[in-house]
Amino acid sequence: DAGVIQSPRHEVTEMGQEVTLRCKPISGHNSLFWYRQTMMRGLELLIYFNNNVPIDDSGMPEDRFSAKMPNASFSTLKIQPSEPRDSAVYFCASTLWRDSEAFFGQGTRLTVV
Amino acid sequence: RKEVEQDPGPFNVPEGATVAFNCTYSNSASQSFFWYRQDCRKEPKLLMSVYSSGNEDGRFTAQLNRASQYISLLIRDSKLSDSATYLCVVNTRSNDYKLSFGAGTTVTVRA
Repeated sequence: DAGVIQSPRHEVTEMGQEVTLRCKPISGHNSLFWYRQTMMRGLELLIYFNNNVPIDDSGMPEDRFSAKMPNASFSTLKIQPSEPRDSAVYFCASTLWRDSEAFFGQGTRLTVV
Repeated sequence: RKEVEQDPGPFNVPEGATVAFNCTYSNSASQSFFWYRQDCRKEPKLLMSVYSSGNEDGRFTAQLNRASQYISLLIRDSKLSDSATYLCVVNTRSNDYKLSFGAGTTVTVRA
């Protein structure tokens, strides 16, 4: 298996633009997580899905952020409109079941200028 | 209070030395504990799970102290390749799943 696949690896965008981050979890994994990592705040859980259903989105910073998981093999995290303070590395991770090892994608490094 | 707190370090140690560090967690009902390793500009990867009785994996030893609510990681005979940031991870919900990550402890092993 290729592991968790995220795209794009790097994104540079202007403030106010819409940004869409994509994630393909490991086949057969039931849970998917979106994290954001910054130097100041470390790794923060934004949202997680179990069997494609959003379970907890309390970490989503504000309404500008939205996430979807239309099927078991694909998820998106959208920021609209983007702001410079959204600049961070966004990781997607999947697990076989809750409480098992989390496998992370390589991350998307987002820079909003 | 943060759910998981770690000493950020950095711990600078010579090759062959032993280095140990702790992390504390706030939810006494937490059931699952892990150490993840993150190399510079890479994704976190599981290093080892932490069991109640303590466990070893080669040169790495993890301990759990429920009474004081901390877990520890000890690295023996450190190698240059052990240089990384070590993330303490706790499932901070007793009846649900939420992996909470510490900010990480940076270890640098020098020749």
